[in-house]
Amino acid sequence: KQEVTQIPAALSVPEGENLVLNCSFTDSAIYNLQWFRQDPGKGLTSLLLIQSSQREQTSGRLNASLDKSSGRSTLYIAASQPGDSATYLCAVRPMDSSYKLIFGSGTRLLVRP
Amino acid sequence: GAGVSQTPSNKVTEKGKYVELRCDPISGHTALYWYRQSLGQGPEFLIYFQGTGAADDSGLPNDRFFAVRPEGSVSTLKIQRTERGDSAVYLCASSLTGGPNTEAFFGQGTRLTVV
Repeated sequence: KQEVTQIPAALSVPEGENLVLNCSFTDSAIYNLQWFRQDPGKGLTSLLLIQSSQREQTSGRLNASLDKSSGRSTLYIAASQPGDSATYLCAVRPMDSSYKLIFGSGTRLLVRP
Repeated sequence: GAGVSQTPSNKVTEKGKYVELRCDPISGHTALYWYRQSLGQGPEFLIYFQGTGAADDSGLPNDRFFAVRPEGSVSTLKIQRTERGDSAVYLCASSLTGGPNTEAFFGQGTRLTVV
């Protein structure tokens, strides 16, 4: 059974720091991996989607990498800002049920001014 | 519409009551999903519709939960005899197709509280 783990569960950093969020998954048979942002009381906003054949994707200050064979992904946030404060979720789309997203529990990020 | 719309945004109900949660997907999206998110956890899959039919309902926790999508657009998640453990945020998502490379767009969720 596919399991997705995110470390750390919570992170507090001063504004301007570069930071890395980690995601690991137990089964490498995935189509893709997606990073989402969730603000309190809100739904999910897609940040980056990495196909299984890709190594990384970039969008602005965000860079996500994928090492499928080792079951790991990282989300790198450059020059963090207070507006980046949110919960970040990673999710994988398994090959045996490709319509599903299997989520981790998220990392709650606080960027202090 | 511009995005996935869920109503109500908040619902408080008494234990044992029946509730319905509504989801309006993005126009033209054939695939629709329901997820449930408990406090401090990631969303968990409940059910997937392709058109009008439930292609996979394996995530529904028990037979008190049921979902429909009669015309292949709006979907309703129905919970009978609600229990306190049903309290969670119920998220709906839609995608153009159910294929693995199509992006799912999520609604804001319905926060259900059973007292």
